[in-house]
Amino acid sequence: GAVVSQHPSRVICKSGTSVKIECRSLDFQATTMFWYRQFPKQSLMLMATSNEGSKATYEQGVEKDKFLINHASLTLSTLTVTSAHPEDSSFYICSAGKTSGGRNEQFFGPGTRLTVL
Amino acid sequence: DAKTTQPPSMDCAEGRAANLPCNHSTISGNEYVYWYRQIHSQGPQYIIHGLKNNETNEMASLIITEDRKSSTLILPHATLRDTAVYYCIVGNNDMRFGAGTRLTVKP
Repeated sequence: GAVVSQHPSRVICKSGTSVKIECRSLDFQATTMFWYRQFPKQSLMLMATSNEGSKATYEQGVEKDKFLINHASLTLSTLTVTSAHPEDSSFYICSAGKTSGGRNEQFFGPGTRLTVL
Repeated sequence: DAKTTQPPSMDCAEGRAANLPCNHSTISGNEYVYWYRQIHSQGPQYIIHGLKNNETNEMASLIITEDRKSSTLILPHATLRDTAVYYCIVGNNDMRFGAGTRLTVKP
């Protein structure tokens, strides 16, 4: 159990366009979802935390108007990179959290590789 | 702020035990120690977690010192497929990744 999927796994887009990435928890309900970004040879950087039905909380330095997050249901969160530029090319990873035995568990998706030309 | 400190890289011979250390001297009383690993171009994979006691599962063992300021992840019989970046994370609500340890298992 506790499977998280992402779609698409890979996307190439032109500069100036917007790209939407979906994150789904397949077999559990996730009250909280997290979005990370990872540049080559670097660690994962937390971008934002989203709770179902409320606005996302963005980390310092992450532009909320550029990275739109929607967490419309307990199994789906979307990240939209608006007006993408080459510097937005990165590996985007989501995770979904659930509480078990008083402890928060996080399960990660396989990631989405975005290339902006 | 990095809450954990790990060596940047380690090598291990195939079939031998891999012992990966992690320092987390500022850990709070209710924070768990989590270990994840990431194989190239994939999402992080959960390995194990613990609070105070040592833990073991089918993948690894986790040894936490009595003062909880450090821990060691043990892969008892490393294989080539265990080559990955291993992340030690402390927390309870969200996972904030440090630089991790790049483990290379060599034949």
